[in-house]
Amino acid sequence: AQSVTQLGSHVSVSEGALVLLRCNYSSSVPPYLFWYVQYPNQGLQLLLKYTSAATLVKGINGFEAEFKKSETSFHLTKPSAHMSDAAEYFCAVSRPSGTYKYIFGTGTRLKVLA
Amino acid sequence: GAGVSQSPSNKVTEKGKDVELRCDPISGHTALYWYRQSLGQGLEFLIYFQGNSAPDKSGLPSDRFSAERTGGSVSTLTIQRTQQEDSAVYLCASSLPQVDTQYFGPGTRLTVL
Repeated sequence: AQSVTQLGSHVSVSEGALVLLRCNYSSSVPPYLFWYVQYPNQGLQLLLKYTSAATLVKGINGFEAEFKKSETSFHLTKPSAHMSDAAEYFCAVSRPSGTYKYIFGTGTRLKVLA
Repeated sequence: GAGVSQSPSNKVTEKGKDVELRCDPISGHTALYWYRQSLGQGLEFLIYFQGNSAPDKSGLPSDRFSAERTGGSVSTLTIQRTQQEDSAVYLCASSLPQVDTQYFGPGTRLTVL
């Protein structure tokens, strides 16, 4: 079975500050891990993904995430927050083969303060 | 190119009525997924289609929910005898075969009165 836990349903940061959104996973098989962003009234957009290659993954809009097997974590970071980063962020896990259906975390809403 | 499209964008219905939600995947994407996003349950997998294979229906919450995919392209999610707890945003996603990355549509917001 697979599951995802996102700590903090709401995170606030000041513009220019570090963004850290936490994701921990549970998986009985080597996981594939994803971060998606959802802007208001829009679908989900892929930020980045881990699929068993490099453990440090760089994505769009300056985001990156590091896969840490020992900690079962895949936290999302960005060195300097921008107002346009305000959105909801979802971490997801899937199996490395088969249906690839996603198991999502509950999401973290990021607020960026001016 | 065109992304995943869904229609209608919003649907308001009365309890007990049937509804149909449509998804047009990206051209060439043979894998298609439906998810439900609700306040109480978050984002949940509903059903998965891949080519001519039998769909993975393991996420459908009750037998009131069904989906079909005609001609390997457009998919319709049908909810019969809608209940208030069916109110949610229904998201469709598509991907290339045996590829992990899914591309999501904007969703259909269903409100059951």
